[in-house]
Amino acid sequence: GEKVEQHESTLSVREGDSAVINCTYTDTASSYFPWYKQEAGKSLHFVIDIRSNVDRKQSQRLIVLLDKKAKRFSLHITATQPEDSAIYFCAASTTNAYKVIFGKGTHLHVLP
Amino acid sequence: GGIITQTPKFLIGQEGQKLTLKCQQNFNHDTMYWYRQDSGKGLRLIYYSITENDLQKGDLSEGYDASREKKSSFSLTVTSAQKNEMAVFLCASSMGNTGQLYFGEGSKLTVL
Repeated sequence: GEKVEQHESTLSVREGDSAVINCTYTDTASSYFPWYKQEAGKSLHFVIDIRSNVDRKQSQRLIVLLDKKAKRFSLHITATQPEDSAIYFCAASTTNAYKVIFGKGTHLHVLP
Repeated sequence: GGIITQTPKFLIGQEGQKLTLKCQQNFNHDTMYWYRQDSGKGLRLIYYSITENDLQKGDLSEGYDASREKKSSFSLTVTSAQKNEMAVFLCASSMGNTGQLYFGEGSKLTVL
């Protein structure tokens, strides 16, 4: 079945710098790639997604890139702020499939 | 807006005990999910349900049963709790497939 690998388990950046979190997936039929954020002591909430018909999507300071050939997608957070500190999860699912598979999470620390 | 309510928030059980977690959503979403979150292992899919009375096994279904008797509710039963088992169980819902998941606050299980 589908596997999603999240490469960085921990990432530390200075406030104002950019953070990049990388994920790879195994199922070539995967077509939907969402990202979720989990703040300390809280549950997950959706932050941004990308579908396989595009290779780039931006929402304010968040940019998602998708490389279908390499089966890789990444989340870029620009001009990081302390409130960006959290665990970020990538996920993948296939078209017409309901099964959403998550990576193990990346704990992002934004240092002052 | 809607909300997903998980009960109980904390559950303490004995080894071998059958334990049930409940989830209610008022989004009128078709699809519901149960994930298990362990530190360092991300989210692993236990069961999901595409519609009322439907059940689909995830990658971690062994040792669990699920029930979707109403569109708005999805229950998960740990059939025989394992000693030293500690995890957070997250319920989520979405409208159809390849769409944003909305998560509950989680139920933390401890087995003595």
